[in-house]
Amino acid sequence: QSALTQPASVSGSPGQSITISCTGSSSDVGGYNFVSWYQQHPGKAPKLMISDVSGRPSGVSSRFSASKSGNTASLTISGLQAEDEADYYCCSYAGGDTLFGGGTKLTVL
Amino acid sequence: QVQLQESGPGLVKPSETLSLSCAVSGKSIRSGYYWGWIRQPPGKALEWIGTIYQSGSTYYKSSLKSRVTISVDTSKNQFSLKLTSVTAADTAIYYCARQGYYHTDPFDFWGRGTMVTVSS
Repeated sequence: QSALTQPASVSGSPGQSITISCTGSSSDVGGYNFVSWYQQHPGKAPKLMISDVSGRPSGVSSRFSASKSGNTASLTISGLQAEDEADYYCCSYAGGDTLFGGGTKLTVL
Repeated sequence: QVQLQESGPGLVKPSETLSLSCAVSGKSIRSGYYWGWIRQPPGKALEWIGTIYQSGSTYYKSSLKSRVTISVDTSKNQFSLKLTSVTAADTAIYYCARQGYYHTDPFDFWGRGTMVTVSS
């Protein structure tokens, strides 16, 4: 199975909102409500930001929200801050397999 | 607070077997969670390798299934990864992580990762 499709990069200015898409198929994103999102700063381990499509783990800022429509999941970051600059990965259960997206580099201008 | 620490050789020769361990502290590996391995080639995306439960039941990435074995040692509170017949394509940072009460759960605690290079 192929990796989930994410834009290679997105950018935004401080205070703005951005959305990162994650496109899969009916066998993964569209077939299960098991989509998660991870933030990874350079040289660091990934950090869980969103679980089960739109759940926000304890300690994660409310500026991070997510949703899913059909085979595409989306992560929205509102009120962009410099510390949000990182790579973001979506992840979906795929019926026995677990797939990650190709990653999106977020640049805060 | 759960902590995970990967350990193992940083250099493996082509065609040989990569072996890594993940020591878990702050939580018993028998506490009902699933535990997983994920890797990341330099400058590339994350890739799930496989997941194990305390009982030893496993789930593996379909494209790696013929080369991967994940095992658990409850007496040492750790789990391990073996990847056979490695090539340069297996060069990556290898992470171990906790996955929650179901194998469909996300990875909520991660180790710092360990770099493994495949080279002669």
